[in-house]
Amino acid sequence: EADIYQTPRYLVIGTGKKITLECSQTMGHDKMYWYQQDPGMELHLIHYSYGVNSTEKGDLSSESTVSRIRTEHFPLTLESARPSHTSQYLCASRGQVDSPLHFGNGTRLTVT
Amino acid sequence: KNEVEQSPQNLTAQEGEFITINCSYSVGISALHWLQQHPGGGIVSLFMLSSGKKKHGRLIATINIQEKHSSLHITASHPRDSAVYICAGRVGGGADGLTFGKGTHLIIQP
Repeated sequence: EADIYQTPRYLVIGTGKKITLECSQTMGHDKMYWYQQDPGMELHLIHYSYGVNSTEKGDLSSESTVSRIRTEHFPLTLESARPSHTSQYLCASRGQVDSPLHFGNGTRLTVT
Repeated sequence: KNEVEQSPQNLTAQEGEFITINCSYSVGISALHWLQQHPGGGIVSLFMLSSGKKKHGRLIATINIQEKHSSLHITASHPRDSAVYICAGRVGGGADGLTFGKGTHLIIQP
């Protein structure tokens, strides 16, 4: 029943490569989020968007960038991947403040 | 110190047992979320509540705003309930992103 999709599910790349993690939702939600989660640790917000052409950095400093050209699409880009970027990246969306979050299945990134 | 604290960190129980997971937060929140994360990594929203109690099947969530505390209960636990349970709250103004607890790793043994 997932209405929010992330690709790829797993990604192993070498240091210095540019990568884009895709996130799309079909619910028409204005609010979208990217979270980073290391194994056994809590989720940390790295980027969020309130709508088209709106993007903000989250609580956790990240070298990644995001764009929001269309409501349904919120890709995250790393210009030059490093081993410290190895983590799980989770995308989420919701319609209103304090409404339930919908999560994608995550992208597990390994940078060698 | 994390503004959202969960306990216990790990919990192993036998099938059929009544399970309680606790969440305490140090500042005011407007709503508290309970989430379930399975080993594959995907996260499902279980409850969002700002007062009282909510029930869905065998799951019950309660919140006490004055005491800044919420609990998630599982009745008649089953091995398929094995997962990480995460509470999260929107703390303060600004971004409406959430502050997450570290999660409770629950294992239900048959």
